[in-house]
Amino acid sequence: SQTIHQWPATLVQPVGSPLSLECTVEGTSNPNLYWYRQAAGRGLQLLFYSVGIGQISSEVPQNLSASRPQDRQFILSSKKLLLSDSGFYLCAWQTGLNSPLHFGNGTRLTVT
Amino acid sequence: QQPVQSPQAVILREGEDAVINCSSSKALYSVHWYRQKHGEAPVFLMILLKGGEQKGHDKISASFNEKKQQSSLYLTASQLSYSGTYFCGTETLNNDMRFGAGTRLTVKP
Repeated sequence: SQTIHQWPATLVQPVGSPLSLECTVEGTSNPNLYWYRQAAGRGLQLLFYSVGIGQISSEVPQNLSASRPQDRQFILSSKKLLLSDSGFYLCAWQTGLNSPLHFGNGTRLTVT
Repeated sequence: QQPVQSPQAVILREGEDAVINCSSSKALYSVHWYRQKHGEAPVFLMILLKGGEQKGHDKISASFNEKKQQSSLYLTASQLSYSGTYFCGTETLNNDMRFGAGTRLTVKP
C-alpha cells in the first residue's frame, strides 16, 4: 500500500535561518506531488507542484523553493526564513489527474 | 486562481442538513471535497468528474455543474463526527490542485 512520510512534525526556527522539509512517498511511482501552506484558521495555499523529476511549478516564488531529486521525494527549502513563513506545511501526492490527494501529517513551522 | 467557497461557517444541531457551495472562474476537470479536523491533515471525501455528476458517501453527497463550474456538498442528518472544515479542491488539466478557503462546520448535540 502507498504511504507518505513528512518530517519533522514540528519545527521552531529563528528568522533568517534556512529551512528544509522533506516528503517521501512509498508504494507508487511517478506521483504528482504538492506542497501546501496553511496559516492558522485559514485555507490551503498551493506553493509548488510537480508532475515528474525535475519538473516544478511554482505558485508562490517569494523566498521558498522546491526540488524533486528523486521520483518519490519532494523537498521544500528556504535560504532565509521570514516571520510570515510560519504555518502548517502539508505535502500531498496523487497518482494523476482525477485521483484523490493523499496528505502527509504536516509540519507545524514557527518562525520566531 | 482558487475556488470560492460559501458559507465561511455553519453551525448545526445533530440531525440538521447543510449545503456547502464551491465555484470557480476556470474551466474545471474535476472537483474534490475534503474534510479537515483541527490539527490534522485533510482527508479525501469524494471526487466529481462529469457535468451534473453526483456522488454519495454515507449521508454526504455532492454535485458538479460543469457548465457553471460549480459544485455543492450536501450533508444530511448531520452527526457530531461531521464537524470540521470542509474544502473543495478544483483540478485543471495543468495538474494544479487548488483549494477554497474552507467552510467550518460545527455540529452541536
